[in-house]
Amino acid sequence: GAGVSQSPRYKVAKRGQDVALRCDPISGHVSLFWYQQALGQGPEFLTYFQNEAQLDKSGLPSDRFFAERPEGSVSTLKIQRTQQEDSAVYLCASRHSRARETQYFGPGTRLLVL
Amino acid sequence: DAKTTQPNSMESNEEEPVHLPCNHSTISGTDYIHWYRQLPSQGPEYVIHGLTSNVNNRMASLAIAEDRKSSTLILHRATLRDAAVYYCIPVSTIKAAGNKLTFGGGTRVLVKP
Repeated sequence: GAGVSQSPRYKVAKRGQDVALRCDPISGHVSLFWYQQALGQGPEFLTYFQNEAQLDKSGLPSDRFFAERPEGSVSTLKIQRTQQEDSAVYLCASRHSRARETQYFGPGTRLLVL
Repeated sequence: DAKTTQPNSMESNEEEPVHLPCNHSTISGTDYIHWYRQLPSQGPEYVIHGLTSNVNNRMASLAIAEDRKSSTLILHRATLRDAAVYYCIPVSTIKAAGNKLTFGGGTRVLVKP
C-alpha cells in the first residue's frame, strides 16, 4: 500500500504568517509522530499521537506550535506567527502499534521562513 | 534516553563491506537497538533492529556485543545507493517511556565508485 505522505512538500512563508502542514499516515497505523530536522542535524522529536490522543508534546518548542489528529488518521501540524528559526524540514512518521515496531517516515515538508 | 556515539563519517569503495560502529554503553536492558538511514532529501528509513542476538535481513546485518554496550551495522557490499546518514537508536519498549526515536548525529557514509 501507500506509504506516509506529507503536503505540501515545500512551503515558503513570510515571518509572522501561520502555516499548516499535513500528514497522511499509513492506513491502520495507530501511532503518529512529528519530528523537526534543522539543516545538517538529525531529526528531533516534536509530538506523538496514539489514535486521536496526543500523549506526548514535550518536544514542541513553543506555544506557537500546535498539532492535532482529530479522527485518529490524518494529522496537521500548525505553526502560528512563524519565525526564521522555524525553518526546517518537518517529518511525519507512523507506526502500527507496538513500541519496538518500525516507524515509517514521510518525505517531509521543507519550510523556509523569510 | 540512552546516549549513542557514532563516528561522524566513513568512506567505502563500491562493492566492499562497510562496518558502522555504535557505542550505547548506557542502554537499558529492555531497549531494542534500531538502525535507520536517511538518504539525501528523503525521510529516514528503517534498516534493522535487534535485542541481543545478531540479526540479518536483506539490507544489512547487525552484530550486537555480548554486553550490549555496542553494536555494528554491516553493509556487506556497499552500492552507491547506500550513501546516506546512518543512525543507531536505542528504542525503549516500556509504554510510559514514550517510544519516540532519539536521533543522534549519525554516521555519514560516502561510497566511492
